[in-house]
Amino acid sequence: DTTVKQNPRYKLARVGKPVNLICSQTMNHDTMYWYQKKPNQAPKLLLFYYDKILNREADTFEKFQSSRPNNSFCSLYIGSAGLEYSAMYLCASSKGTAWEQYFGPGTRLTVL
Amino acid sequence: AQSVDQPDAHVTLYEGASLELRCSYSYSAAPYLFWYVQYPGQSLQFLLKYITGDAVVKGTKGFEAEFRKSNSSFNLKKSPAHWSDSAKYFCALEGLRGGSNYKLTFGKGTLITVTP
Repeated sequence: DTTVKQNPRYKLARVGKPVNLICSQTMNHDTMYWYQKKPNQAPKLLLFYYDKILNREADTFEKFQSSRPNNSFCSLYIGSAGLEYSAMYLCASSKGTAWEQYFGPGTRLTVL
Repeated sequence: AQSVDQPDAHVTLYEGASLELRCSYSYSAAPYLFWYVQYPGQSLQFLLKYITGDAVVKGTKGFEAEFRKSNSSFNLKKSPAHWSDSAKYFCALEGLRGGSNYKLTFGKGTLITVTP
């Protein structure tokens, strides 16, 4: 099974409230990624886990947090949502560098 | 720093015509290059990749891409195009982000509409 699952598919949040998005994969991939995608823009890497090590991009370091309680699950946490967080959030996994990434269907987050 | 440019936001062509999507990149070392496709209502899917070796790489669904170091390009081709090829195509480069970690940098994508 090469499916990456994401929950929920749609999320409505209020400004200032926390948001938690969930991703899972059963391919035993070492690396799991979170991307943010806005309309007509390229998917933008937010952070990734290699095994149990979290790596966050410098320009989004303080905005997003993540946890990976086991190999299969990974979450994306926003402590206080702002209007600018409205986007599609894509989770992906891969065996590692130079290997293709498998993407989930995404969670569409709308912040009001 | 690394970047990917897909200059064509939307391309329309007739079924049976040849399809070529342009992709150029900027990266100071040897790149790992990918093409992904997103069909309507579906997740991003891997199409093909260039790591090293032959400049022309073949992928699924009859697609191929040519790596040209001379002009930093990785164009995607298919002939003939079929209406089912209508989708958004993303070019991506995997390069060093610091230390020993790599990251995938995407272009903005090209939307392909193939009319029967």
